[in-house]
Amino acid sequence: GESVGLHLPTLSVQEGDNSIINCAYSNSASDYFIWYKQESGKGPQFIIDIRSNMDKRQGQRVTVLLNKTVKHLSLQIAATQPGDSAVYFCAENTSNNNDMRFGAGTRLTVKP
Amino acid sequence: EPEVTQTPSHQVTQMGQEVILRCVPISNHLYFYWYRQILGQKVEFLVSFYNNEISEKSEIFDDQFSVERPDGSNFTLKIRSTKLEDSAMYFCASSSQGGDNSPLHFGNGTRLTVT
Repeated sequence: GESVGLHLPTLSVQEGDNSIINCAYSNSASDYFIWYKQESGKGPQFIIDIRSNMDKRQGQRVTVLLNKTVKHLSLQIAATQPGDSAVYFCAENTSNNNDMRFGAGTRLTVKP
Repeated sequence: EPEVTQTPSHQVTQMGQEVILRCVPISNHLYFYWYRQILGQKVEFLVSFYNNEISEKSEIFDDQFSVERPDGSNFTLKIRSTKLEDSAMYFCASSSQGGDNSPLHFGNGTRLTVT
Protein backbone atom coordinates (compact mmCIF):
# COMPACT_ATOMS: atom_id res chain seq x y z
CA GLY A 1 0.00 0.00 0.00
CA GLU A 2 1.02 3.70 -0.37
CA SER A 3 0.51 6.87 1.62
CA VAL A 4 0.90 10.48 0.68
CA GLY A 5 2.24 11.63 4.03
CA LEU A 6 0.53 14.87 4.96
CA HIS A 7 -2.63 14.18 2.96
CA LEU A 8 -3.10 10.58 4.08
CA PRO A 9 -1.67 10.27 7.57
CA THR A 10 -2.65 6.62 8.03
CA LEU A 11 -1.63 3.54 6.09
CA SER A 12 -2.95 0.06 6.73
CA VAL A 13 -1.32 -3.01 5.17
CA GLN A 14 -1.51 -6.76 5.51
CA GLU A 15 1.34 -8.56 7.18
CA GLY A 16 3.81 -9.69 4.55
CA ASP A 17 2.91 -6.96 2.05
CA ASN A 18 5.31 -4.20 1.10
CA SER A 19 4.65 -0.70 2.45
CA ILE A 20 5.48 2.62 0.86
CA ILE A 21 5.41 5.76 2.97
CA ASN A 22 5.78 9.07 1.18
CA CYS A 23 7.01 12.46 2.26
CA ALA A 24 7.07 15.77 0.42
CA TYR A 25 9.58 18.33 1.61
CA SER A 26 9.57 22.01 0.84
CA ASN A 27 13.15 23.24 1.23
CA SER A 28 15.07 22.77 -2.00
CA ALA A 29 18.30 23.45 -0.08
CA SER A 30 17.80 20.37 2.13
CA ASP A 31 20.54 17.86 1.49
CA TYR A 32 20.32 15.32 4.29
CA PHE A 33 17.23 13.26 4.96
CA ILE A 34 16.33 10.74 7.62
CA TRP A 35 13.44 8.40 8.28
CA TYR A 36 12.45 7.85 11.88
CA LYS A 37 10.06 5.35 13.43
CA GLN A 38 8.15 6.28 16.56
CA GLU A 39 6.38 3.66 18.62
CA SER A 40 3.82 4.62 21.22
CA GLY A 41 5.39 6.15 24.31
CA LYS A 42 8.89 6.24 22.83
CA GLY A 43 11.16 8.70 21.13
CA PRO A 44 11.87 8.67 17.40
CA GLN A 45 14.16 5.84 16.37
CA PHE A 46 16.57 6.18 13.45
CA ILE A 47 15.81 3.90 10.50
CA ILE A 48 17.82 5.06 7.52
CA ASP A 49 19.32 8.22 6.07
CA ILE A 50 20.24 9.49 2.63
CA ARG A 51 22.20 12.44 1.28
CA SER A 52 21.20 14.52 -1.68
CA ASN A 53 23.99 13.13 -3.87
CA MET A 54 22.17 9.78 -3.85
CA ASP A 55 18.74 8.78 -5.06
CA LYS A 56 18.44 5.39 -3.40
CA ARG A 57 19.79 3.71 -0.33
CA GLN A 58 19.00 0.28 1.04
CA GLY A 59 19.05 -1.11 4.53
CA GLN A 60 17.70 -4.25 6.07
CA ARG A 61 14.16 -4.60 4.67
CA VAL A 62 14.01 -0.84 4.07
CA THR A 63 14.80 1.31 1.07
CA VAL A 64 14.75 5.09 0.88
CA LEU A 65 14.22 6.83 -2.44
CA LEU A 66 14.94 10.50 -3.01
CA ASN A 67 13.65 12.53 -5.91
CA LYS A 68 15.13 16.00 -5.64
CA THR A 69 13.40 17.24 -8.77
CA VAL A 70 9.98 17.02 -7.15
CA LYS A 71 11.24 17.19 -3.55
CA HIS A 72 9.89 13.79 -2.65
CA LEU A 73 11.17 11.12 -0.30
CA SER A 74 9.78 7.64 0.21
CA LEU A 75 10.39 4.76 2.57
CA GLN A 76 9.75 1.26 1.35
CA ILE A 77 9.40 -1.54 3.88
CA ALA A 78 9.58 -5.05 2.49
CA ALA A 79 7.51 -7.89 3.97
CA THR A 80 5.89 -5.65 6.57
CA GLN A 81 5.59 -7.21 10.02
CA PRO A 82 3.34 -6.36 12.99
CA GLY A 83 6.39 -4.89 14.74
CA ASP A 84 6.59 -2.29 11.97
CA SER A 85 3.37 -0.70 13.21
CA ALA A 86 4.32 2.82 14.30
CA VAL A 87 4.31 6.42 13.15
CA TYR A 88 6.96 7.17 10.54
CA PHE A 89 8.48 10.63 10.16
CA CYS A 90 10.74 12.00 7.50
CA ALA A 91 13.19 14.68 8.60
CA GLU A 92 15.38 17.06 6.62
CA ASN A 93 18.40 19.22 7.23
CA THR A 94 20.66 21.52 5.26
CA SER A 95 24.44 21.71 5.25
CA ASN A 96 25.98 23.68 8.11
CA ASN A 97 22.68 23.84 9.96
CA ASN A 98 21.73 22.08 13.16
CA ASP A 99 17.95 22.36 13.08
CA MET A 100 16.65 19.11 11.64
CA ARG A 101 12.94 19.51 10.85
CA PHE A 102 10.37 16.76 10.92
CA GLY A 103 7.42 16.15 8.62
CA ALA A 104 3.91 15.47 9.86
CA GLY A 105 4.21 11.69 10.08
CA THR A 106 2.30 8.70 8.76
CA ARG A 107 0.78 6.05 11.00
CA LEU A 108 1.42 2.55 9.66
CA THR A 109 -0.84 -0.22 10.90
CA VAL A 110 -0.01 -3.81 10.00
CA LYS A 111 -2.91 -6.24 10.06
CA PRO A 112 -2.09 -9.88 10.85
CA GLU B 1 23.96 0.09 22.62
CA PRO B 2 24.42 3.52 24.23
CA GLU B 3 21.27 5.55 24.58
CA VAL B 4 19.98 8.96 25.55
CA THR B 5 18.25 8.96 28.93
CA GLN B 6 15.72 11.49 30.13
CA THR B 7 14.30 12.19 33.56
CA PRO B 8 11.66 12.41 34.81
CA SER B 9 9.45 10.40 32.49
CA HIS B 10 6.44 12.44 33.56
CA GLN B 11 6.35 15.90 35.15
CA VAL B 12 3.21 17.62 36.36
CA THR B 13 3.43 21.28 37.23
CA GLN B 14 1.16 24.23 37.84
CA MET B 15 0.94 27.11 35.41
CA GLY B 16 3.55 29.75 36.18
CA GLN B 17 5.98 27.34 37.82
CA GLU B 18 9.49 26.66 36.60
CA VAL B 19 10.45 23.20 35.38
CA ILE B 20 13.77 21.64 34.51
CA LEU B 21 13.88 18.65 32.22
CA ARG B 22 17.02 16.57 32.36
CA CYS B 23 18.87 14.55 29.78
CA VAL B 24 22.04 12.49 29.66
CA PRO B 25 23.18 12.35 26.04
CA ILE B 26 25.31 9.58 24.57
CA SER B 27 28.72 10.02 26.11
CA ASN B 28 30.90 10.67 23.05
CA HIS B 29 28.37 12.89 21.30
CA LEU B 30 29.07 16.58 20.88
CA TYR B 31 25.78 17.98 19.60
CA PHE B 32 22.66 18.17 21.71
CA TYR B 33 19.06 19.00 20.94
CA TRP B 34 15.64 19.51 22.41
CA TYR B 35 12.44 18.80 20.52
CA ARG B 36 8.84 18.77 21.62
CA GLN B 37 5.78 16.92 20.44
CA ILE B 38 2.28 18.03 21.31
CA LEU B 39 -0.02 15.00 21.57
CA GLY B 40 -0.77 13.58 18.14
CA GLN B 41 1.28 16.16 16.29
CA LYS B 42 4.66 16.24 14.65
CA VAL B 43 8.02 16.53 16.35
CA GLU B 44 9.05 20.19 16.54
CA PHE B 45 12.59 21.49 16.78
CA LEU B 46 13.34 23.73 19.75
CA VAL B 47 17.09 24.20 20.04
CA SER B 48 20.50 22.74 19.21
CA PHE B 49 23.60 23.14 21.33
CA TYR B 50 27.27 22.68 20.52
CA ASN B 51 30.51 23.73 22.16
CA ASN B 52 28.66 25.15 25.16
CA GLU B 53 26.43 27.47 23.22
CA ILE B 54 23.19 27.47 21.30
CA SER B 55 23.81 26.89 17.59
CA GLU B 56 20.22 27.10 16.32
CA LYS B 57 16.84 27.79 17.86
CA SER B 58 13.31 27.87 16.57
CA GLU B 59 10.61 30.47 16.96
CA ILE B 60 9.12 28.32 19.74
CA PHE B 61 12.26 28.73 21.85
CA ASP B 62 11.49 32.14 23.33
CA ASP B 63 12.81 33.86 26.44
CA GLN B 64 10.91 31.45 28.67
CA PHE B 65 13.22 28.63 27.58
CA SER B 66 16.87 28.08 28.34
CA VAL B 67 19.33 25.23 28.03
CA GLU B 68 22.40 24.36 29.97
CA ARG B 69 25.13 21.75 30.08
CA PRO B 70 26.01 22.07 33.77
CA ASP B 71 28.62 19.32 33.73
CA GLY B 72 30.18 16.82 31.36
CA SER B 73 27.18 14.52 31.21
CA ASN B 74 23.90 16.38 31.69
CA PHE B 75 21.94 18.60 29.34
CA THR B 76 18.92 20.44 30.69
CA LEU B 77 15.95 22.37 29.38
CA LYS B 78 14.41 24.96 31.68
CA ILE B 79 11.02 26.53 31.19
CA ARG B 80 10.89 29.59 33.38
CA SER B 81 7.15 30.14 33.78
CA THR B 82 5.11 27.33 32.33
CA LYS B 83 1.94 27.91 30.35
CA LEU B 84 -0.86 25.48 29.60
CA GLU B 85 0.30 25.27 26.00
CA ASP B 86 3.71 24.00 27.11
CA SER B 87 2.08 20.64 27.84
CA ALA B 88 3.80 18.20 25.49
CA MET B 89 6.37 15.44 25.22
CA TYR B 90 9.87 16.87 25.32
CA PHE B 91 12.59 14.84 23.61
CA CYS B 92 16.28 15.24 24.06
CA ALA B 93 18.62 14.06 21.31
CA SER B 94 22.32 13.93 20.62
CA SER B 95 24.55 13.30 17.63
CA SER B 96 28.23 12.63 17.07
CA GLN B 97 28.46 15.19 14.29
CA GLY B 98 26.22 18.06 13.28
CA GLY B 99 22.65 17.28 12.34
CA ASP B 100 23.53 17.80 8.70
CA ASN B 101 25.95 14.86 8.81
CA SER B 102 24.75 12.29 11.28
CA PRO B 103 21.44 11.06 12.62
CA LEU B 104 20.07 12.28 15.91
CA HIS B 105 19.57 9.71 18.66
CA PHE B 106 16.53 10.42 20.80
CA GLY B 107 15.58 9.64 24.37
CA ASN B 108 12.13 8.40 25.28
CA GLY B 109 10.99 11.81 26.37
CA THR B 110 9.53 13.60 29.35
CA ARG B 111 5.79 14.13 29.33
CA LEU B 112 5.14 17.59 30.74
CA THR B 113 1.63 18.34 31.96
CA VAL B 114 0.85 21.93 32.95
CA THR B 115 -2.34 22.35 34.97
